[in-house]
Amino acid sequence: EAGVVQSPRYKIIEKKQPVAFWCNPISGHNTLYWYLQNLGQGPELLIRYENEEAVDDSQLPKDRFSAERLKGVDSTLKIQPAELGDSAVYLCASSLRQGPNEQFFGPGTRLTVL
Amino acid sequence: GENVEQHPSTLSVQEGDSAVIKCTYSDSASNYFPWYKQELGKRPQLIIDIRSNVGEKKDQRIAVTLNKTAKHFSLHITETQPEDSAVYFCAAYAYSGAGSYQLTFGKGTKLSVIP
Repeated sequence: EAGVVQSPRYKIIEKKQPVAFWCNPISGHNTLYWYLQNLGQGPELLIRYENEEAVDDSQLPKDRFSAERLKGVDSTLKIQPAELGDSAVYLCASSLRQGPNEQFFGPGTRLTVL
Repeated sequence: GENVEQHPSTLSVQEGDSAVIKCTYSDSASNYFPWYKQELGKRPQLIIDIRSNVGEKKDQRIAVTLNKTAKHFSLHITETQPEDSAVYFCAAYAYSGAGSYQLTFGKGTKLSVIP
């Protein structure tokens, strides 16, 4: 069974440029998460989807971040414009359903903003 | 919201010795406590989890204990091996407000197993 797939794995951009990250969850997983992981820290939730609906986006900085999960499968996270402080690893995870269940993580996208 | 504290931040042990990592949480309603292992440059992977109706769970060399009264849980690794070297994250699943629940992670423990 294929795991959670993310692309790109690495991205280097200059500040004020836009950037987008893509995630393909495990087949059949209805719940999808985007996390931010700063160096030396644990993952922090940005947004959670149940199928195509964003049900928890309270920690997503909506002035510059946006996300979508069209058709309830793949998801895209966008930053526009990027700032120096956005440099981090962006992790996508999925689970069969919402609730206290195992979350399967992707390899992440390491973003460097210069 | 939930607050998870994890100690120590770094831990070095000799191969074959045991390692213990401790976490405390703030929300008494938390009911699910997973532990993730993250090797350098790789994805976090679940190694063991425990639910609030259980006090201890074992899986080969790994065990987790939960003390709901004290609101702390611990990861125990016995007979450590060099391949156990990684960063370990604890997490707690709890209500985060506005009708939502989420996993809150600790800051991680970097475990080094010295051959």
